[in-house]
Amino acid sequence: AQSVAQPEDQVNVAEGNPLTVKCTYSVSGNPYLFWYVQYPNRGLQFLLKYITGDNLVKGSYGFEAEFNKSQTSFHLKKPSALVSDSALYFCAVRDMNRDDKIIFGKGTRLHILP
Amino acid sequence: EPEVTQTPSHQVTQMGQEVILRCVPISNHLYFYWYRQILGQKVEFLVSFYNNEISEKSEIFDDQFSVERPDGSNFTLKIRSTKLEDSAMYFCASSDDRGLAGELFFGEGSRLTVL
Repeated sequence: AQSVAQPEDQVNVAEGNPLTVKCTYSVSGNPYLFWYVQYPNRGLQFLLKYITGDNLVKGSYGFEAEFNKSQTSFHLKKPSALVSDSALYFCAVRDMNRDDKIIFGKGTRLHILP
Repeated sequence: EPEVTQTPSHQVTQMGQEVILRCVPISNHLYFYWYRQILGQKVEFLVSFYNNEISEKSEIFDDQFSVERPDGSNFTLKIRSTKLEDSAMYFCASSDDRGLAGELFFGEGSRLTVL
């Protein structure tokens, strides 16, 4: 069965600094990988995904993520954080060879300090 | 921009009562999902639905839960006899690609409070 690990409950970054939110995954087949963001009292919004091709994928709001097959990681990054980036971030995985469900990590709260 | 809509936004019910949560997925989507989130924490998969039948369900989705697509637009989640531990935010999602590259589009959620 697939699983996702987000090792950090919270990440604090000063505004203007680069940010990284970590994610590792486990699937038996090939992964499709996703990042979602959730603002308070809102639903989940899609940020970006890795399907195939370039390991570095770019998404909404200046975010990007790097797929690393050998480390089974898909860390979310942004070169310069904004206060408005403060939210709950979820990494998710789908096993393309087995299931149609997407499994989410437990989430990482990103706090950008002004 | 098309969106997934959910009603009600908040429902309070007594333990043992039946609850129906409603969702209108994006109109050209074919695959439908329910997830739940307890206390703003982990998002848990409940069930996926395609071609008028359940394609996959989690161990959370026991006999007390059911889903239905009664017409061409609505997708409902029914909890037959609610328990305290069913209190959560329930999210509906839809996708136009199954098992492939399509991302899920989520509604704003229905908050269920069981007293």
